[in-house]
Amino acid sequence: DVKVTQSSRYLVKRTGEKVFLECVQDMDHENMFWYRQDPGLGLRLIYFSYDVKMKEKGDIPEGYSVSREKKERFSLILESASTNQTSMYLCASSLKARAGGLRTEAFFGQGTRLTVV
Amino acid sequence: GNSVTQMEGPVTLSEEAFLTINCTYTATGYPSLFWYVQYPGEGLQLLLKATKADDKGSNKGFEATYRKETTSFHLEKGSVQVSDSAVYFCALGMAGGRRALTFGSGTRLQVQP
Repeated sequence: DVKVTQSSRYLVKRTGEKVFLECVQDMDHENMFWYRQDPGLGLRLIYFSYDVKMKEKGDIPEGYSVSREKKERFSLILESASTNQTSMYLCASSLKARAGGLRTEAFFGQGTRLTVV
Repeated sequence: GNSVTQMEGPVTLSEEAFLTINCTYTATGYPSLFWYVQYPGEGLQLLLKATKADDKGSNKGFEATYRKETTSFHLEKGSVQVSDSAVYFCALGMAGGRRALTFGSGTRLQVQP
């Protein structure tokens, strides 16, 4: 079974702190994603990565950065946490779809509930 | 761009009732379609999927049929249980490329004994 592990289930940080959210997957997936989940808004893509050291902005990248130094690990960084970044953060991974191939499903971690005070 | 629209919740049902959660999509081309479920305090789990028109995905008593003519992928279950209480997300993914899945806003289902 694919396993996507997020380093923390719950985090409480202060405004202005630099925050690191870590995600590790064990199935050699090329793609990794960070979403945030807020009531009534569903999942919104922050960043994704399709290879080591490669990244692309999602729909709401402002205030975030990412790092992917190894294939299995994808980190989300809040450079200076703000209260409007209080949310549930979900990491996911998937196989890269081959040329002309069908999109494969994403596998999710258990989520990190971040509170910024 | 691509988008997914789900019915708003919460949906409250009694145990053994019939469930339908509507999902429609907008996409350029022919996407794969997915239903994910999120139980309280957990991440998302894939519930079922369909990759082409008229395909029916099924799992754990849930079903959804990919309807190209109505751009829909409605989730159904004949008899819900209390343990089905969760948030359900409809999602689409396009063939090829490296884009992430596009999710709907989620529908909360509450099943009462």
